[in-house]
Amino acid sequence: DQQVKQNSPSLSVQEGRISILNCDYTNSMFDYFLWYKKYPAEGPTFLISISSIKDKNEDGRFTVFLNKSAKHLSLHIVPSQPGDSAVYFCAASAVNAGKSTFGDGTTLTVKP
Amino acid sequence: DAEITQSPRHKITETGRQVTLACHQTWNHNNMFWYRQDLGHGLRLIHYSYGVQDTNKGEVSDGYSVSRSNTEDLPLTLESAASSQTSVYFCASSPGTSGVGGELFFGEGSRLTVL
Repeated sequence: DQQVKQNSPSLSVQEGRISILNCDYTNSMFDYFLWYKKYPAEGPTFLISISSIKDKNEDGRFTVFLNKSAKHLSLHIVPSQPGDSAVYFCAASAVNAGKSTFGDGTTLTVKP
Repeated sequence: DAEITQSPRHKITETGRQVTLACHQTWNHNNMFWYRQDLGHGLRLIHYSYGVQDTNKGEVSDGYSVSRSNTEDLPLTLESAASSQTSVYFCASSPGTSGVGGELFFGEGSRLTVL
């Protein structure tokens, strides 16, 4: 049973437009959520996170929204840039558990 | 600068051989993790450690083992490599007290091919 799901394997957007990446989770014990970005042949790098006590967290062009009742979070990138083209992983962890459970990733392509 | 390094970056081995992938971090993080990434799958947790002498099984631990004799290193051993273990392996660490969640810092990955 996959506890973190990213149902869109890929997403293509035009430069300057908004990119919206979605993630669903099933485990109600998860209380901390993270997004990572991964370029080919590199390790994932942390992008942004949100705690379950919040419903929004913003960092520059990146905003993460959390809907606890729906067990859904989304990452918004505005405006999208070609350099944002990468695989984006959603991850979740439970209180007092340092380990994170990852989704399968969404490949974002931003076209110039 | 503090960092996390994996070696080797690329390895080809034969079925049945023992393989060890090294992971070394200089952040003095308590928490260390091994994940594998396969085509069409996300990162799946193999083993993790919350401190020296502590090791725990993840969701795909069969055929793998780890040991934590110091803070800096968490080597991953494949006791008898199988073709199903062909994958890209990522080591990661995170700060904080044992077990407390936080962002992960990843190494660059080790690509293992088992023939």
